[in-house]
Amino acid sequence: DAMVIQNPRYQVTQFGKPVTLSCSQTLNHNVMYWYQQKSSQAPKLLFHYYDKDFNNEADTPDNFQSRRPNTSFCFLDIRSPGLGDAAMYLCATSGIDRQETQYFGPGTRLLVL
Amino acid sequence: GNSVTQMEGPVTLSEEAFLTINCTYTATGYPSLFWYVQYPGEGLQLLLKATKADDKGSNKGFEATYRKETTSFHLEKGSVQVSDSAVYFCALSKGANNLFFGTGTRLTVIP
Repeated sequence: DAMVIQNPRYQVTQFGKPVTLSCSQTLNHNVMYWYQQKSSQAPKLLFHYYDKDFNNEADTPDNFQSRRPNTSFCFLDIRSPGLGDAAMYLCATSGIDRQETQYFGPGTRLLVL
Repeated sequence: GNSVTQMEGPVTLSEEAFLTINCTYTATGYPSLFWYVQYPGEGLQLLLKATKADDKGSNKGFEATYRKETTSFHLEKGSVQVSDSAVYFCALSKGANNLFFGTGTRLTVIP
């Protein structure tokens, strides 16, 4: 089945220690997104890739970076995680048509100690 | 601007009760509208969608109708089950790169 896969499902890191979350997709979608979702809140878009074009949201901290080496994979790098970065991180994909739905992965829950 | 206002929760219902979760939106033009569901500890799953006025999205017994005259997309289900307990998010899209979420409504169904 075509899908969006996120690894790991749970990630524990230490304060200030860089961490990378990964996302892959078999949908062959052009657009990939990273969202941050804190407890009891709606997902908040951090950035997205339209093919290789990176689009950062204006209020995304510099501490968050992303890489997309190919169509299938996208990575979220947190350079120096703080306690406030503990959250669920959701990856999503969509096609390029304006009617296209975003399809979400299961998420990676990040814990910062 | 674009925004979604969603019925605040939490909502607690008995099994087999009727469910309505209200959602209204503000947008220019003709957005697509979605309901996503998030089960505990999981990511978001698309529940249903509608892409133009008067469209009805439906899935797993849930329904929502795109009402442009009232700018609404209320979610309904005739008979809820314990397994429907989750958080439900209403969202709108003006294009593939912009998805605006409501704040989510937590539903708990008790046996």
